Amino acid sequence: GQQVMQIPQYQHVQEGEDFTTYCNSSTTLSNIQWYKQRPGGHPVFLIQLVKSGEVKKQKRLTFQFGEAKKNSSLHITATQTTDVGTYFCADSYSSASKIIFGSGTRLSIRP
Amino acid sequence: DTGVSQDPRHKITKRGQNVTFRCDPISEHNRLYWYRQTLGQGPEFLTYFQNEAQLEKSRLLSDRFSAERPKGSFSTLEIQRTEQGDSAMYLCASRGTSGRGDEQYFGPGTRLTVT
Repeated sequence: GQQVMQIPQYQHVQEGEDFTTYCNSSTTLSNIQWYKQRPGGHPVFLIQLVKSGEVKKQKRLTFQFGEAKKNSSLHITATQTTDVGTYFCADSYSSASKIIFGSGTRLSIRP
Repeated sequence: DTGVSQDPRHKITKRGQNVTFRCDPISEHNRLYWYRQTLGQGPEFLTYFQNEAQLEKSRLLSDRFSAERPKGSFSTLEIQRTEQGDSAMYLCASRGTSGRGDEQYFGPGTRLTVT
């Protein structure tokens, strides 16, 4: 079945350092969504990417969708302690169908 | 608070018992999803409703699991004859009408512990 893989599984950085998580699929992704889940919380939607090669920014977060729509990345510049959590990518087959989540990248930060 | 509520928040049950969880989505959302999440994993898709119709169900879902959304509003997820492997967080998410926003809004989840 369709799988979405994320690397790395864990990332521990010094506050102020940058962070990147990668999402890969062996098949073409439909739309990519990114979610953040704080420890003990539920996933919170961050953004959706639809177009090949699309790049979107939200303050210190930069999201990219690969040209072939088989990968995506989330980059955080100058991490802050509030960035702690697990970041998931998710493939939305179509706007009316199921959504497949990656296994997530857990970010922890040294103050 | 996303506007999606789930009840109960925690459930401890003995193996073999039946449990039922409820999800109340955002009122104007016609799409509703159930997921299961275990520690260190992403949410695993279980089933999807559009209004009252159950349009998709994971092949991973055994016959012990059943979900309903009788009036297209709240939904219930029932697990019969629970097993220890059913212990997980069960998440519900709602989503607006197609074309009006694709983000999912998750509820706080129901944590199930089967002893």
